[in-house]
Amino acid sequence: DTAVSQTPKYLVTQMGNDKSIKCEQNLGHDTMYWYKQDSKKFLKIMFSYNNKELIINETVPNRFSPKSPDKAHLNLHINSLELGDSAVYFCASSTMAGGVKETQYFGPGTRLLVL
Amino acid sequence: SQQGEEDPQALSIQEGENATMNCSYKTSINNLQWYRQNSGRGLVHLILIRSNEREKHSGRLRVTLDTSKKSSSLLITASRAADTASYFCALGKIQGAQKLVFGQGTRLTINP
Repeated sequence: DTAVSQTPKYLVTQMGNDKSIKCEQNLGHDTMYWYKQDSKKFLKIMFSYNNKELIINETVPNRFSPKSPDKAHLNLHINSLELGDSAVYFCASSTMAGGVKETQYFGPGTRLLVL
Repeated sequence: SQQGEEDPQALSIQEGENATMNCSYKTSINNLQWYRQNSGRGLVHLILIRSNEREKHSGRLRVTLDTSKKSSSLLITASRAADTASYFCALGKIQGAQKLVFGQGTRLTINP
């Protein structure tokens, strides 16, 4: 299926641990995003990469480090997890080829619970 | 606040009725988009309206945009139980890439 996929779907971990979330899209898009949705359903952009280059970097603690090995993948590594990091993390993709295309396609989300 | 503010926060109607959700904002935008999120799932793009457009239709969806009032509305006609979901407006600003700023959503419940 053509889609944006994320792994893992659920992640339960202890405070202080380091964890990674992976995202892959096979839509041929060149731009990928990470969003965080908190318990109040507020969805906020964290990062965006275009062709492996960071283009949006919101005010996010430097414990969060995105990595894009190629334009189809955008991973999110989180160091020293804190209770407040508990949220649902969504990956999304879109394309800028031929001009900015506005629609973003979202993955199913990774539900992170920090204990 | 740069995000959209949605009204109402929750809406419960009977199947077959029309549902209207509103989004107000304060900043300039290039476009405004509506997304749907079913419980425990990702967001699905519904419709996009550009800042120079006033109204768009897609199936049972109708979106309006009034840039002078900085507001948008999403109308779902002849609602169905499957329309039960949270609906988010997203303010689109092109700053190199497309940056979306989401509101907190309207939780819509369609009662059979």
